[in-house]
Amino acid sequence: DQQVKQNSPSLSVQEGRISILNCDYTNSMFDYFLWYKKYPAEGPTFLISISSIKDKNEDGRFTVFLNKSAKHLSLHIVPSQPGDSAVYFCAAKKGGADGLTFGKGTHLIIQP
Amino acid sequence: GAGVSQSPSNKVTEKGKDVELRCDPISGHTALYWYRQSLGQGLEFLIYFQGNSAPDKSGLPSDRFSAERTGGSVSTLTIQRTQQEDSAVYLCASSADRSGYTFGSGTRLTVV
Repeated sequence: DQQVKQNSPSLSVQEGRISILNCDYTNSMFDYFLWYKKYPAEGPTFLISISSIKDKNEDGRFTVFLNKSAKHLSLHIVPSQPGDSAVYFCAAKKGGADGLTFGKGTHLIIQP
Repeated sequence: GAGVSQSPSNKVTEKGKDVELRCDPISGHTALYWYRQSLGQGLEFLIYFQGNSAPDKSGLPSDRFSAERTGGSVSTLTIQRTQQEDSAVYLCASSADRSGYTFGSGTRLTVV
């Protein structure tokens, strides 16, 4: 049973426009959420995170929104750049536990 | 070292053989994780080491999988009697706090 779901396997966005990547979760015990970015043949790299006590966290072009009542979070990238083309993983963790639960990822393709 | 180092980067093995995958975490990181990514799947948690505590092995898919962490540093993931479904990218990550993990580049295991 997938506790973290990324329902879009891929997303194509024009350069300069906004990219919105979505993530849903089912476990209400999750209280910390992270986004990772992965290029081919490399390990995932940490991008941005948000605690469940917040509903928004912003870092430059990247903003993560959390809607706890809907168990939904999204990553916004604006403006999108060619270097943003990668696979983006949503991840969640709960309470004092340290393991991360990952979604299957969304492949973002930025079109010139 | 500066990052998480994994070796080998690629491994092709015959079905039924044993393999060992190595992970060198970031110096000083007390937590170490093994994940794997099968084709078309998300990151699947395998095992977690935290300091001198007993490891969390809850993600290991079968008793053919085992892992050790010697001296609180280097870790080895061993897969005995490999099967074709073991083919995946095996990723190691380490962390010092809950804000995020640093992943290695992974070992791509192909069982033929």
